[in-house]
Amino acid sequence: GNSVTQMEGPVTLSEEAFLTINCTYTATGYPSLFWYVQYPGEGLQLLLKATKADDKGSNKGFEATYRKETTSFHLEKGSVQVSDSAVYFCALSDRGATNKLIFGTGTLLAVQP
Amino acid sequence: KAGVTQTPRYLIKTRGQQVTLSCSPISGHRSVSWYQQTPGQGLQFLFEYFSETQRNKGNFPGRFSGRQFSNSRSEMNVSTLELGDSALYLCASSSGQTDTGELFFGEGSRLTVL
Repeated sequence: GNSVTQMEGPVTLSEEAFLTINCTYTATGYPSLFWYVQYPGEGLQLLLKATKADDKGSNKGFEATYRKETTSFHLEKGSVQVSDSAVYFCALSDRGATNKLIFGTGTLLAVQP
Repeated sequence: KAGVTQTPRYLIKTRGQQVTLSCSPISGHRSVSWYQQTPGQGLQFLFEYFSETQRNKGNFPGRFSGRQFSNSRSEMNVSTLELGDSALYLCASSSGQTDTGELFFGEGSRLTVL
């Protein structure tokens, strides 16, 4: 069945460092791909998404590109801030059941000043 | 506008009991989805309701059930609780009319089964 694998955390970075959180997926067909973020004490919220191969999702300085050839959707940010500290979840959905998301295990990011 | 509201936020039950959790979606949203979050299994999809009908279902036993009311509010019920049902139960809403996968999550109901 469909699945998502993302890198284990926690990831600890200094402010202004470059961030990469790896995410790969297994799916039949052509899923949509998402990154959700959970800030401390808050619910999950959509960070960015991509719906087809080679699409790049971007938001708040974060980017991820839908790579069908490597079945990946890695999250990147050029310069992280302390306020980016959160748990990041990679997810996919089937085209026929868009609200039925399959999540990765989440990666905790801690940014130190 | 108000976000997704889940009640209760915390509850403790014993094995064999049942529990009902409630979710009020964002005003105007007609789709409500439920997810279970545990340290071991992560986030797992339970079911989705749209216009009072179950539209999608995950791989959970029949002890887990849900429903949606005409005002889009949703409830989920877990009967004959087991220790493994201890989890954070998350509700998410979306407009449901053109599915984009953008879900708006509540803060969850944390269930502890003793």
